[in-house]
Amino acid sequence: QSALTQPASVSGSPGQSITISCTGTSNDVGGYKYVSWYQQHPGKAPKLMIYDVSDRPSGVSNRFSGSKSGNTASLTISGLQAEDEADYYCTSYSRSSTLEGVFGGGTKLTVL
Amino acid sequence: EVQLVQSGAEVKKPGESLKISCKGSGYSFTSHWIGWVRQMPGKGLEWMGVIYPGDSDIRYSPSFQGQVTISVDKSISIAYLQWSSLRASDSAMYYCARRGPFTYAFDYWGQGTLVTVAS
Repeated sequence: QSALTQPASVSGSPGQSITISCTGTSNDVGGYKYVSWYQQHPGKAPKLMIYDVSDRPSGVSNRFSGSKSGNTASLTISGLQAEDEADYYCTSYSRSSTLEGVFGGGTKLTVL
Repeated sequence: EVQLVQSGAEVKKPGESLKISCKGSGYSFTSHWIGWVRQMPGKGLEWMGVIYPGDSDIRYSPSFQGQVTISVDKSISIAYLQWSSLRASDSAMYYCARRGPFTYAFDYWGQGTLVTVAS
């Protein structure tokens, strides 16, 4: 089972935009529209931010957006705010070896 | 209001068995897959498996197949994760989460159950 590949860390200043990438294969990210993104603050449960590549759950700020190109999905956060500082994980449906789901390794976002 | 409430923290010795729970409420429990996710201390999220309470269909990650058992009692809206013989390496936070309608994303999460295995 291979985790999806995310950068270990990204940073940005308040008001700026950042993008976190999530690279998989044609068996997961590239083959399906089922990429989702989660935000996790220290000591808290993960929170769904984006599902099905680019859809936002009710209540999630429109500063968060998702996209996909080939085997790489991306999460963009615009107008960075201090409270966006957290760990972010991507996940995708996977059709490899009967595995139905796989997470990325996680990205630590630091708001400078 | 959709809620997933997990059982409390556990401290166990190596070799002991354990069953933790996740109770769903505020929605049709039998109509949504429930997943389990492991987070070892200071590490990332790991997809363990999912179960469909309507018919107990289970999908395990190959990494966890044979290591844990996922089950459900739909009559009381509770999903379970159990170990027959714990190891120190099972020490982690375990989250249950509900799959949303018509998607593979987990839209609601439990608060987590911390499992500590130490002699």
